[in-house]
Amino acid sequence: KNEVEQSPQNLTAQEEEFITINCSYSVGISALHWLQQHPGGGIVSLFMLSSGKKKHGRLIATINIQEKHSSLHITASHPRDSAVYICAVAASNTDKLIFGTGTRLQVFP
Amino acid sequence: KAGVTQTPRYLIKTRGQQVTLSCSPISGHRSVSWYQQTPGQGLQFLFEYFSETQRNKGNFPGRFSGRQFSNSRSEMNVSTLELGDSALYLCASSKTGTATYNEQFFGPGTRLTVL
Repeated sequence: KNEVEQSPQNLTAQEEEFITINCSYSVGISALHWLQQHPGGGIVSLFMLSSGKKKHGRLIATINIQEKHSSLHITASHPRDSAVYICAVAASNTDKLIFGTGTRLQVFP
Repeated sequence: KAGVTQTPRYLIKTRGQQVTLSCSPISGHRSVSWYQQTPGQGLQFLFEYFSETQRNKGNFPGRFSGRQFSNSRSEMNVSTLELGDSALYLCASSKTGTATYNEQFFGPGTRLTVL
């Protein structure tokens, strides 16, 4: 079983839909990162959080440390949000990042 | 401010050869991390350097090595290439501290193909 699991693996949405991507992990962590990867490979860091909730524009990330779960929400989705979203946890015992396998999101007009 | 740059962007090598990849972090950033991305294994942490010292290393064989120079530029080397080393190699920099607790800025990657 992977230490970081993301769901769903693939997600298709219509423009303006509210989207949720989930990340569950089984190790103790000190921080969790959400990354966005566009076709071609470029990766952008969206959020780093260790508790609570963060918001940036239409993106919201939440984390529940007790339940070992984080969610990434996209409000009013747009075709330009189409990308792979990757969750990564900073394992507290090794101080290394462990990555989920990613969620491929396609938003259609 | 220029972003993280990686050279070369594409590379084709044959089994048994060695390769050196280069990463120039954002000016003022002192931490550089390297990652390997493959379709089968996804993203995996290779190593992290801070002020010319290796802070952390992932679970890769000794064929994978790296270093960081006094200007924070970093190189990684893979010796005795295997087919399975074909991957996108990404470098990321952060301003201070560790990659795990700081926002990272990723380069475009070097796509290595081993024939």
